[in-house]
Amino acid sequence: AQSVTQPDIHITVSEGASLELRCNYSYGATPYLFWYVQSPGQGLQLLLKYFSGDTLVQGIKGFEAEFKRSQSSFNLRKPSVHWSDAAEYFCAVGALVGLIFGKGTTLSVSS
Amino acid sequence: DAEITQSPRHKITETGRQVTLACHQTWNHNNMFWYRQDLGHGLRLIHYSYGVQDTNKGEVSDGYSVSRSNTEDLPLTLESAASSQTSVYFCASSEGGNTEAFFGQGTRLTVV
Repeated sequence: AQSVTQPDIHITVSEGASLELRCNYSYGATPYLFWYVQSPGQGLQLLLKYFSGDTLVQGIKGFEAEFKRSQSSFNLRKPSVHWSDAAEYFCAVGALVGLIFGKGTTLSVSS
Repeated sequence: DAEITQSPRHKITETGRQVTLACHQTWNHNNMFWYRQDLGHGLRLIHYSYGVQDTNKGEVSDGYSVSRSNTEDLPLTLESAASSQTSVYFCASSEGGNTEAFFGQGTRLTVV
């Protein structure tokens, strides 16, 4: 069955430090992969997506993600975190029935 | 700009009442979805539609129904609200079934 796992429920990083959020997926075919961000009380905003081609994809707000088929992973990275990046982050895989989401990772940023 | 809007943003209702949450999109997307978001569960699919007159059950469809009479709207109805349906509900639309989805701002529903 298709599924997405985000192993880290909550991560705290210092402002200016680098960030990596982990995502593993289970999907039979070539996956369509997404990262969304949700600020408190808001809807979900697309950060980036992978459909095919270059396995390193660039998104908005300075985020990037790397697709690794051999590891079934699609980890999100940012070289230098800003306090405004504090939010909840969701990884998702595209399926015939719409997007299947992981349970999310809450990012806190300390000063 | 195209958008997807949900109403109301907040609602409190009593157990056993019928409740309808509205979702309207101007993307002209054929695909529309309803998700619920609960702590520790992420987003779970309730119902989805691939076009007018098409509706399908998702992972957590018990106690919910939808109807699709036009491209723009997919209302979600709770037939008899239960406390377990207290949640934040998100509507989304997409061009394809497995392509990026655009989300509304959510409706926070409390069943007392």
